[in-house]
Amino acid sequence: NAGVTQTPKFQVLKTGQSMTLQCAQDMNHEYMSWYRQDPGMGLRLIHYSVGAGITDQGEVPNGYNVSRSTTEDFPLRLLSAAPSQTSVYFCASSVRGSSYNSPLHFGNGTRLTVT
Amino acid sequence: EDKVVQSPLSLVVHEGDTVTLNCSYEVTNFRSLLWYKQEKKAPTFLFMLTSSGIEKKSGRLSSILDKKELFSILNITATQTGDSAVYLCAVSMGTGTYKYIFGTGTRLKVLA
Repeated sequence: NAGVTQTPKFQVLKTGQSMTLQCAQDMNHEYMSWYRQDPGMGLRLIHYSVGAGITDQGEVPNGYNVSRSTTEDFPLRLLSAAPSQTSVYFCASSVRGSSYNSPLHFGNGTRLTVT
Repeated sequence: EDKVVQSPLSLVVHEGDTVTLNCSYEVTNFRSLLWYKQEKKAPTFLFMLTSSGIEKKSGRLSSILDKKELFSILNITATQTGDSAVYLCAVSMGTGTYKYIFGTGTRLKVLA
C-alpha cells in the first residue's frame, strides 16, 4: 500500500524553467491538494481538487497550474520558475475533503530549489 | 481571514517532562481540528477532534478541543527523545469550503 507518492524528491531549476511535480495516490481518495512549506510560514495551500475534472485555487496559487484527469493523479506545474518558489512541496489527499471528517494523508515531499 | 495560531513556536524540555502545545483558530464554517507530527519528512496524523470536551488519547499523547473558546491543546506526558518533532495543528472547514488551514507549528526538542 503505497499511499501518496511524490516525485521527484529533489529538484534544482534555473529561473524561467518549467517543470511538473508528480503526485499519485492509490487509496481512491476523492480529495487531493498541494501545499508548500516555508520556514516560519507553515503549510500553505496552493491548489486542491475534490474529484476528477474539478480543481480550485488555494491561498497561494500564483505561478502554479494543476489538472485532475484521473482520481489517482494530481500533478503540479510550474510554468516559469522563480526563486520565490524555492520551497518544500507536499501533496496530500483525503477520502472526501474537509467537509467530511477525514484527515489528510501526505506524501514525502519534493524539495525544490530555484536559482 | 481564516487563521490558525500555534504556541509556543518552539520548546526545549528534558526527557520525562510533560508538555502542552496550544492551537487557537478563527475560521468560518469549522468542521474539525487535526494534529500532526512532522519529523524529517511528511506530517503524520495524530488526532482529529470534532466535539468539545471529549479527550482523544493515544499512549502518552492526548488532545482536547474547546469550540466555545476556539482552541485545542495537545499534551505529551513523560516525553522521550523520539517525541522531538514539529507539531502541526490544522482546521478543516465545512461544506463548500474544501480547505485545511494549518498553523505554523510548534518545534519540540526533547533532551536526553
